[in-house]
Amino acid sequence: ILNVEQSPQSLHVQEGDSTNFTCSFPSSNFYALHWYRWETAKSPEALFVMTLNGDEKKKGRISATLNTKEGYSYLYIKGSQPEDSATYLCARSGTGANNLFFGTGTRLTVIP
Amino acid sequence: DAGVIQSPRHEVTEMGQEVTLRCKPISGHNSLFWYRQTMMRGLELLIYFNNNVPIDDSGMPEDRFSAKMPNASFSTLKIQPSEPRDSAVYFCASSLTVGRYGVNTGELFFGEGSRLTVL
Repeated sequence: ILNVEQSPQSLHVQEGDSTNFTCSFPSSNFYALHWYRWETAKSPEALFVMTLNGDEKKKGRISATLNTKEGYSYLYIKGSQPEDSATYLCARSGTGANNLFFGTGTRLTVIP
Repeated sequence: DAGVIQSPRHEVTEMGQEVTLRCKPISGHNSLFWYRQTMMRGLELLIYFNNNVPIDDSGMPEDRFSAKMPNASFSTLKIQPSEPRDSAVYFCASSLTVGRYGVNTGELFFGEGSRLTVL
């Protein structure tokens, strides 16, 4: 089992605030780190897939960084909007493993 | 393009009954995953297939659970007999495995899930 930990479990921010949360994972035999956004009553949708230490990805106001040596990834949201309210999941795969193990997510609520 | 299609969306059954959940992956994808979502464990991987072959079923809870993928466009997850603790949302996801050594760097595309309630 590849333990993927996410923190915080939940987060409330005011509209316009920037925020970030953490995904930590075992650094040994690492291959890829995925971030997904999961809105209530929908299915998870991919945001980013990162493989290299130091990778940074950006999509609009959302960005992510990856540190494979110490086993963590940060997701940043700049200028949060109510539509950003969702659960953000990270998932890790290891070398030789085609499966993805998910963390339990960070539930973000953006208050208008 | 049609996404991952799951059926049924909702299933209510009585303890002891057989339940079959179905999944049609995105055409051209070579990996298929079954996940179960619970409050306690979040998204829990049950089994995944690569090129229709089960690769890792270590997440299947017990012998009451079985999964098949007879061809590239169809998979089933069966629970027989079902129990109340099996109540959960079951997600199917597919991806195109593109990384080195066949490791998955392709994003997963999820179906809308099948909500199972066992009374």
